Amino acid sequence: AQSVTQLGSHVSVSEGALVLLRCNYSSSVPPYLFWYVQYPNQGLQLLLKYTTGATLVKGINGFEAEFKKSETSFHLTKPSAHMSDAAEYFCAVTLNTGGFKTIFGAGTRLFVKA
Amino acid sequence: DTGVSQNPRHKITKRGQNVTFRCDPISEHNRLYWYRQTLGQGPEFLTYFQNEAQLEKSRLLSDRFSAERPKGSFSTLEIQRTEQGDSAMYLCASSFLQGNPGNTIYFGEGSWLTVV
Repeated sequence: AQSVTQLGSHVSVSEGALVLLRCNYSSSVPPYLFWYVQYPNQGLQLLLKYTTGATLVKGINGFEAEFKKSETSFHLTKPSAHMSDAAEYFCAVTLNTGGFKTIFGAGTRLFVKA
Repeated sequence: DTGVSQNPRHKITKRGQNVTFRCDPISEHNRLYWYRQTLGQGPEFLTYFQNEAQLEKSRLLSDRFSAERPKGSFSTLEIQRTEQGDSAMYLCASSFLQGNPGNTIYFGEGSWLTVV
């Protein structure tokens, strides 16, 4: 079965510290991978995506992610956390199930301590 | 481009009542999706449309749920005989798919449903 797994439902970092949010997927075909961010009571906003080409992708707000096929991973990183990064982050994969459906991981809530 | 619009944003209803949510996608988008999200969880796929055709329905979508996109533009999601377990945020999203499944999906702000 195709799936997306986010390791750690909660991650807490200090302001200025490295942010690392983990995402692994299972897919029998090349996936299209996304990271979305959700602020309270709002919809989801795209941070970045991998479709083809360069495996290191850069997104908004200083985030980046690297697609590692051998590890079936797409971890999200940011070198220095800011208080405004506190939010819920979702990894997602678009799969060719005959119609290209996008499924989401359970999410990781990021806390940033002053 | 005004983004994906959903209404109502909040709905409180008594158990057993019917509710309907509306979604207006980004105008040139041919794909429209409905997801459900409960607290602490990621969005769960419910159904999606390619233009006016409903291409897939999740098993989460019981026969009390029906979605339509009659003219390939706006969509409605109706829940009949609501149950407390239906309480969730219902997210609508849209995209333009033309051969590239990596196209970004744009989400609306969501419609919160509380069944009391």
